[in-house]
Amino acid sequence: DTGVSQDPRHKITKRGQNVTFRCDPISEHNRLYWYRQTLGQGPEFLTYFQNEAQLEKSRLLSDRFSAERPKGSFSTLEIQRTEQGDSAMYLCASRKQGYHYEQYFGPGTRLTVT
Amino acid sequence: AQKVTQAQTEISVVEKEDVTLDCVYETRDTTYYLFWYKQPPSGELVFLIRRNSFDEQNEISGRYSWNFQKSTSSFNFTITASQVVDSAVYFCALSGEKNSGYSTLTFGKGTMLLVSP
Repeated sequence: DTGVSQDPRHKITKRGQNVTFRCDPISEHNRLYWYRQTLGQGPEFLTYFQNEAQLEKSRLLSDRFSAERPKGSFSTLEIQRTEQGDSAMYLCASRKQGYHYEQYFGPGTRLTVT
Repeated sequence: AQKVTQAQTEISVVEKEDVTLDCVYETRDTTYYLFWYKQPPSGELVFLIRRNSFDEQNEISGRYSWNFQKSTSSFNFTITASQVVDSAVYFCALSGEKNSGYSTLTFGKGTMLLVSP
């Protein structure tokens, strides 16, 4: 059973550029989550999908952020016109449907905006 | 609103010492789930335990044990005979019915545990 994978692991970009991250969940998991983690803080929820439907977005997810999960498998998170405040670790997690299941996390993508 | 507080920012112990990581939570839900995750230096969050609000039994798994007390809204984590490999940041998290139907997790800020030889 392979775990959650994320690509790339590290991304350095200049302010104003667009970036896209990819997450591949565990194959039988139909729920997929995106979190953001800044230094010294716990992960903060951004958005989640059930299959291909995006069911909730946090107020942290500004208009510059967009997430998709077109076929209910992998997901992408795009940040347009990056700002220095976007520098963080972006974590993806997945789990089975059912409220008692735990989320399994990927290794994260560390974004640095210069 | 839900909230998880981990008051200990950093704990340093010497190998073989026992250590307890504190977690206090706030929620208005009557049904909720509590979790502990470990984040080693590699960065990947590793699931350790899930506990639902109706199960106040303490749990032991090897050197790890958890103490859930609803009366004090606490879910503390104890590592017995700590080892260097236990060095990591540990997060407590909460998921409740009002929090998107148990879907999303609210994390504490984490406790960094440093175990020296």
